[in-house]
Amino acid sequence: SQTIHQWPATLVQPVGSPLSLECTVEGTSNPNLYWYRQAAGRGLQLLFYSVGIGQISSEVPQNLSASRPQDRQFILSSKKLLLSDSGFYLCAWSVLGDQQFFGPGTRLTVL
Amino acid sequence: KQEVTQIPAALSVPEGENLVLNCSFTDSAIYNLQWFRQDPGKGLTSLLLIQSSQREQTSGRLNASLDKSSGRSTLYIAASQPGDSATYLCAVNRQAGTALIFGKGTTLSVSS
Repeated sequence: SQTIHQWPATLVQPVGSPLSLECTVEGTSNPNLYWYRQAAGRGLQLLFYSVGIGQISSEVPQNLSASRPQDRQFILSSKKLLLSDSGFYLCAWSVLGDQQFFGPGTRLTVL
Repeated sequence: KQEVTQIPAALSVPEGENLVLNCSFTDSAIYNLQWFRQDPGKGLTSLLLIQSSQREQTSGRLNASLDKSSGRSTLYIAASQPGDSATYLCAVNRQAGTALIFGKGTTLSVSS
């Protein structure tokens, strides 16, 4: 069966510090991968999605970036965090563009 | 631009009641619609997926319907239980593999 992992589970970072969140999927090949953010009082918003290694599409301009160095690995990064980057970050996968399955999430607090 | 609205924002019911959660979307050109459950501080659990060509899907006590032409979906929960307490999210996408557009959810509380 397929599983999706995210780490860390929680993170507290100062403004201006770098960020690296990792997502890995097991039990499937060539998945579509997605990064969403859920901010307080707002709905879930897609940040990036990837249909293959090295292929990244950005939905919202911001100071975040994403990379997909391996088929089942998706990384969310920032060089300098802003207060507005605080939120709950969720990674998701799908195969053939069908049902999306979500990971456990990373709670990021920027102080 | 696709917008998804969920009504009500919050709902409290006693155990055993049947209930309906509503979801509406502004653009009927969708590929599929998903219902999710989110427990506090947790990720999303996929409950039901309805393809645009389908009218409904059922899983246990859950039944989701889709009326694409009117831009509406409902999630019916039968014989609610305290363990059903969570936030329920509705989401649609335009094409296969593209972003899901989410509503803000309905927070359900079932009291024993």
